[in-house]
Amino acid sequence: GIQVEQSPPDLILQEGANSTLRCNFSDSVNNLQWFHQNPWGQLINLFYIPSGTKQNGRLSATTVATERYSLLYISSSQTTDSGVYFCAVAFSGNTPLVFGKGTRLSVIA
Amino acid sequence: DGGITQSPKYLFRKEGQNVTLSCEQNLNHDAMYWYRQDPGQGLRLIYYSQIVNDFQKGDIAEGYSVSREKKESFPLTVTSAQKNPTAFYLCASSIARGNGYTFGSGTRLTVV
Repeated sequence: GIQVEQSPPDLILQEGANSTLRCNFSDSVNNLQWFHQNPWGQLINLFYIPSGTKQNGRLSATTVATERYSLLYISSSQTTDSGVYFCAVAFSGNTPLVFGKGTRLSVIA
Repeated sequence: DGGITQSPKYLFRKEGQNVTLSCEQNLNHDAMYWYRQDPGQGLRLIYYSQIVNDFQKGDIAEGYSVSREKKESFPLTVTSAQKNPTAFYLCASSIARGNGYTFGSGTRLTVV
């Protein structure tokens, strides 16, 4: 099946710093989503981005489908950005998402 | 407000018992999913359903069962055949095309 690799596995940032999280996937996809899991376990959908670039406040994401990777950018990080960021992909809209192992982000004041 | 509700938040199970985790959504989503998360790991798919009265096995379905009798509800039963059931269980839903999953807040199951 499709493989999803996320890097780095762990990241520690000072408040106000910027970061880039990477997601590589092994096959063509037409569904790619980024999620944030807070320390209490709740998963929030950040972006649906099978291709192209999107921005939402301090967060933005870019997917280059032909090269099989996606990037999540976090600017001016805040302590509330801490948690685990997951990338998830699927071959089609009718197949369930396959998740990577996540990047654990800790933002310190 | 529309959303997806999982209950209970915490569940303790004795060895050999079956337990059922509840998942209800009022988003009018067609598809529903159950994932399992172990510490430090990503989410692994247990079962999913795209329409009422139909569901498919995911990667780790052994020891679990589901039903989809109503569009709003997709309960998961963890049976005694599941060898290592202690985990965090997450339910999600989406429109039929699958973009924009919405997750519930999860159920932490512990075997005692």
